[in-house]
Amino acid sequence: AQKITQTQPGMFVQEKEAVTLDCTYDTSDQSYGLFWYKQPSSGEMIFLIYQGSYDEQNATEGRYSLNFQKARKSANLVISASQLGDSAMYFCAMREESFKTIFGAGTRLFVKA
Amino acid sequence: DTGVSQDPRHKITKRGQNVTFRCDPISEHNRLYWYRQTLGQGPEFLTYFQNEAQLEKSRLLSDRFSAERPKGSFSTLEIQRTEQGDSAMYLCASSPKGQGAYGYTFGSGTRLTVV
Repeated sequence: AQKITQTQPGMFVQEKEAVTLDCTYDTSDQSYGLFWYKQPSSGEMIFLIYQGSYDEQNATEGRYSLNFQKARKSANLVISASQLGDSAMYFCAMREESFKTIFGAGTRLFVKA
Repeated sequence: DTGVSQDPRHKITKRGQNVTFRCDPISEHNRLYWYRQTLGQGPEFLTYFQNEAQLEKSRLLSDRFSAERPKGSFSTLEIQRTEQGDSAMYLCASSPKGQGAYGYTFGSGTRLTVV
């Protein structure tokens, strides 16, 4: 069955340092998409970055990059130069061939000044 | 383009009552999704529409839940005979057609409290 696993319930990072949030997935689909979303305390889900299963290059969007290791079925999010505003919940998600997207349980990131 | 709108933002209802939520997606988006999120958890898929067709419905969605998207525009999610376990944030999202690098655009959600 399709599944997303985020094993880090909470992470701390010092401001201006980089942090990696882990995500592993399981699917029998050949074509799928991997996403990361941010949910600040205000509650609204914000799309951050996308990686297609056939993309050979790791996706990057500003300070966000996705470390995609297909054989290991992992899709870790790397945030460089952390800022106080990065403190939020982060969800890894996978879009299946059916276009349904499933989400992991999330990782809460705390950025320390 | 004002994003995805959900109404109401908050709803408090007594157990056993029916409630209905509305979602207005981004007008160019033909896919619309409903999710439920409880505190500290990721969103759980409930159902989704492509235009007016409901293409998939989660096993989580009991017979008390029904969703519609008449004319492929706004959508409503109705919960009949609410139970305390229905208390959650109900999120609506929309996306364009295709398998491209399109993340969902989420609304602000409707927080339901069943007392």
